[in-house]
Amino acid sequence: NAGVTQTPKFRVLKTGQSMTLLCAQDMNHEYMYWYRQDPGMGLRLIHYSVGEGTTAKGEVPDGYNVSRLKKQNFLLGLESAAPSQTSVYFCASSPGETNEKLFFGSGTQLSVL
Amino acid sequence: AQSVTQLDSQVPVFEEAPVELRCNYSSSVSVYLFWYVQYPNQGLQLLLKYLSGSTLVKGINGFEAEFNKSQTSFHLRKPSVHISDTAEYFCAVRPFGNEKLTFGTGTRLTIIP
Repeated sequence: NAGVTQTPKFRVLKTGQSMTLLCAQDMNHEYMYWYRQDPGMGLRLIHYSVGEGTTAKGEVPDGYNVSRLKKQNFLLGLESAAPSQTSVYFCASSPGETNEKLFFGSGTQLSVL
Repeated sequence: AQSVTQLDSQVPVFEEAPVELRCNYSSSVSVYLFWYVQYPNQGLQLLLKYLSGSTLVKGINGFEAEFNKSQTSFHLRKPSVHISDTAEYFCAVRPFGNEKLTFGTGTRLTIIP
């Protein structure tokens, strides 16, 4: 049971570099999310998607872009990384009902120097 | 917009003692309420959720929470904690019909042997 898989698990970037984080789920879920977790701030929603081909902004979308070309994948891109984007990133998915729980990946630790 | 407040960032408790982790929320519409737990170096997993009906809900690992509409609270309790309960606990709300799940800033529970 793979569930929600995030790659990579760790990454170090230099300021200005770009990268893409991949999230894959094998549960046929409609909704997918990207959160960032920072000490003392909990989890904050970056972007989310309610279905293939759709994306929407969350609380902290600036500096990030996303795509959901296939239902099972949700990509998070950083075009020009900044030290403020140093964080732990979590992907999550859930069925298409708002009373359902979220299933989380194990996270990506990103450091921007 | 909805928001979640977890006033206690850290709670130390002796092993086998009871614990209560506080959560208050605000929302202009009805919400679903959740508690998630994050063990060290892992993603989040659901402890319990309140959707409707009985205001006392039971979750995994002996945890329970009580929904109080008049006080807009959803406090988490356990009558006797164990070392394995050491983790960070997040309260979250999701308005009816809304895809977005909003988290509190988390409470780190430390069990003292």
